[in-house]
Amino acid sequence: DAGVIQSPRHEVTEMGQEVTLRCKPISGHDYLFWYRQTMMRGLELLIYFNNNVPIDDSGMPEDRFSAKMPNASFSTLKIQPSEPRDSAVYFCASSPVRLAGDYNEQFFGPGTRLTVL
Amino acid sequence: AQSVTQLGSHVSVSEGALVLLRCNYSSSVPPYLFWYVQYPNQGLQLLLKYTTGATLVKGINGFEAEFKKSETSFHLTKPSAHMSDAAEYFCAVSISGTSYGKLTFGQGTILTVHP
Repeated sequence: DAGVIQSPRHEVTEMGQEVTLRCKPISGHDYLFWYRQTMMRGLELLIYFNNNVPIDDSGMPEDRFSAKMPNASFSTLKIQPSEPRDSAVYFCASSPVRLAGDYNEQFFGPGTRLTVL
Repeated sequence: AQSVTQLGSHVSVSEGALVLLRCNYSSSVPPYLFWYVQYPNQGLQLLLKYTTGATLVKGINGFEAEFKKSETSFHLTKPSAHMSDAAEYFCAVSISGTSYGKLTFGQGTILTVHP
């Protein structure tokens, strides 16, 4: 398996522009997560999906952020308009269905490094 | 709500020395505990996890961690450091018994290994 795939790996844009980050989860995984990593705030969960349905978006910082999962093999995280404080590494992770009494590992993609000038 | 505190944002050891990375957690219910490793320009990779059962858990690359409920700790150790262990390490906690366990991460500890 190729693992979780994210694109682009690096994105440099100017303030006010729309940014779209993409993620392809591992085939067969039912959960998909979007995280943001910054020096100041560490790793933050932004939103997660179960079977393509958004379950918890309480970590999404503002209305400028939106995420979709139109099918089981694709998700996007969009920032519109982007601001310099959005500069961070954004990770996508996926996980197989939970088993009762157990916890399944989250598999992380390589991340997208976003720089907003 | 659960939380994680990693003591020491940077740890430096010599090659062959003991590695000890400290993690304390706060949780009102029995936790699930994890250590992840992040190599430069890569995503996080699971090292080991504690859910139930034996409190000493072994992971990949010779790492192990012990769940100590009385101390609310889950410290990560490795008897002998290798240069390839240089990375950032994250402790994380999740609440057991829920349909989905949200992971809460610590701030991370950067491990440097000197020759």
